Amino acid sequence: EQLVESGGGVVQPGSSLTLSCVASGFSFSGYGIHWVRQAPGKGLEWVADISYDGNDKYYADSVKGRFTISRDNSKNTLYLQVSSLRVEDTAVYYCAKEWKWEALHPGYGLNVWGQGTTVTVSS
Amino acid sequence: IQLTQSPSSLSASVGDRITITCRASQGISSYLAWLQQKPGKAPKLLIYTASTLNGGVPSRFSGSGSGTEFTLTISTLQAEDYATYYCQQLNSYPPTFGPGTKVDIK
Repeated sequence: EQLVESGGGVVQPGSSLTLSCVASGFSFSGYGIHWVRQAPGKGLEWVADISYDGNDKYYADSVKGRFTISRDNSKNTLYLQVSSLRVEDTAVYYCAKEWKWEALHPGYGLNVWGQGTTVTVSS
Repeated sequence: IQLTQSPSSLSASVGDRITITCRASQGISSYLAWLQQKPGKAPKLLIYTASTLNGGVPSRFSGSGSGTEFTLTISTLQAEDYATYYCQQLNSYPPTFGPGTKVDIK
C-alpha cells in the first residue's frame, strides 16, 4: 500500500496550486483519505478529508473556502486544490489513508501515509 | 476537541519503560490513535481505537484508556523508538492531533 504526493512548490501569497496523491497497492475506492499538514518545526494539523465515494468532504476552519478536496477513483488519485495561499499555509502536506474499509467519519486511524509534498508561500 | 499530551518531552534510556498521556477536552469514547514520527519522515500509525496495535508494530507498544484520558506505553525502549509521538482523536470533526511528545536519549 502506497501513497505518493506531488504538486508542491514555492509560490507567492494569493497564489493557487493543485496537490495530487496517487494511490497504489489497495482498493482506493473503498477508503476515506485525509490531508494533513505540518508547518516547519511544528506539529501535525488535519486539513481535510473525503469519503471513499467522494460524497462527503470536511475541512479545517483554517482552510475552509480556500481549499477543495476531491478524488478520481478511476485514476486512484486524490487532489487538494489550494487557493488564496497565505504565508501560514507553508507546510509539508501529507495524504493519509483511513484504516477501515468504508469507514464512517472521521474514521479510526490513518495507517498509510505518503512522503509529503512541500508548499512554501513567500513573497 | 482539544488534546493535550504530557509530558511534552522526555529523556529516557534504552530499556526504560515510558508512558505518555493524552487528555481530551471532552469524551471521545475510544476513537483515539497514536502515531510515531521521526525527523524528516511521515508519521506512522502505531495504535488505533485506543488500544489496537496496528499491523507490524512491535508488541512493546501498548495503548489504553477511553473517554478523556489515554496512555501510550513503551515497555522496553529501543534505540529506534526515539521519535515524536502524537495522539489523534477521530471521534468528531475536526480530527485533532495532540501537540506531540518528543522522546530523546538520556
